[in-house]
Amino acid sequence: AQSVTQPDIHITVSEGASLELRCNYSYGATPYLFWYVQSPGQGLQLLLKYFSGDTLVQGIKGFEAEFKRSQSSFNLRKPSVHWSDAAEYFCAVGENTGNQFYFGTGTSLTVIP
Amino acid sequence: DAGVTQSPTHLIKTRGQQVTLRCSPISGHKSVSWYQQVLGQGPQFIFQYYEKEERGRGNFPDRFSARQFPNYSSELNVNALLLGDSALYLCASSSAGTVYNEQFFGPGTRLTVL
Repeated sequence: AQSVTQPDIHITVSEGASLELRCNYSYGATPYLFWYVQSPGQGLQLLLKYFSGDTLVQGIKGFEAEFKRSQSSFNLRKPSVHWSDAAEYFCAVGENTGNQFYFGTGTSLTVIP
Repeated sequence: DAGVTQSPTHLIKTRGQQVTLRCSPISGHKSVSWYQQVLGQGPQFIFQYYEKEERGRGNFPDRFSARQFPNYSSELNVNALLLGDSALYLCASSSAGTVYNEQFFGPGTRLTVL
């Protein structure tokens, strides 16, 4: 069965520090990979996505993610975190055959001044 | 432009009752998906509809059903409510019925089952 694992439930970083959120997936074929952010009072917003091609993808708000097939990972990174980045981050996988979508359990990010 | 809208915002029901949640997609979008997000967890896929046909179904019991109307709005129905159905129900719309199309999420309906 397909699955998405986000090992870190909660991460705290200082403003201006770099950030990496981990995501591992379990899927037989080439996955469609996504990162979403959910802020209090706001809906889920797509940060970036990977389907094929260049394994380093750029997203909105200065985020990027790298697809590593050998590690079944799709980690999200940002070089310098801003206080407004505090939110819940979800990694997700799209399965084309059954037209289904799987979210991880999320990583809560706290940014301290 | 209006985003995805959902109604009602909050809902309180008792066990055994039935509930209907509504979703209006972004204008021009023909696909609607439903998700259940239990507190502290990621959203779980329930259904996807495209052009009024079911295109995908998650691992939910038959108490959950949905439909899509000619104007592409959608309803999610849950029968015989259980305490465990308490969650945030999210609707997402996209332009096409494939998993690689960007989904735009609504603010959700918070369902509490007592």
